[in-house]
Amino acid sequence: GAGVSQTPSNKVTEKGKYVELRCDPISGHTALYWYRQSLGQGPEFLIYFQGTGAADDSGLPNDRFFAVRPEGSVSTLKIQRTERGDSAVYLCACGTSHTGELFFGEGSRLTVL
Amino acid sequence: AQSVTQPDIHITVSEGASLELRCNYSYGATPYLFWYVQSPGQGLQLLLKYFSGDTLVQGIKGFEAEFKRSQSSFNLRKPSVHWSDAAEYFCAVGGDYNFGNEKLTFGTGTRLTIIP
Repeated sequence: GAGVSQTPSNKVTEKGKYVELRCDPISGHTALYWYRQSLGQGPEFLIYFQGTGAADDSGLPNDRFFAVRPEGSVSTLKIQRTERGDSAVYLCACGTSHTGELFFGEGSRLTVL
Repeated sequence: AQSVTQPDIHITVSEGASLELRCNYSYGATPYLFWYVQSPGQGLQLLLKYFSGDTLVQGIKGFEAEFKRSQSSFNLRKPSVHWSDAAEYFCAVGGDYNFGNEKLTFGTGTRLTIIP
């Protein structure tokens, strides 16, 4: 596809469960970002990949959160032992270096019961 | 640390009227400033950006924004709004371009409602 694809679009899980959220970026975009958007808030930075490596993970809230991008394309955000406070929309974005424009997916809405 | 303030949570404007959405930022150096729009069921879309040069920047859908360093502001304007402009608008600041990292800090957003 031409845009950023995120799956699942909606995920409902129980407290304590493990969750994976997937992002398929625009082909050729080397930079990939994960953001989290809570209700009534703007997106908050989580992690940035340049190629396969996590160049900046300063936004990950704690060690329950982890993200990978093994082949420099698709990325997976992994959340262990989910808590109710993890409920939010998780946004993926990609871009080409130094253009200043990020292309966002529609997000994965996570609800932790 | 960089930050963005959007003082208006919700604005209602009549169709055809002019619009101004406020944005104030805090950043130690020369900021890179952005406005994004988020419509229901759609991803964030870039409206316009300021990197350097002319402080009045034009964007898509008839929007423009003016960078005022003395006021630390980057307000978004449109002379005549259309019903399709109803959406959530986010101002963002970036500037940490080490190795091309376009990490952005977003404001809390302004929800725009258009009335006939």
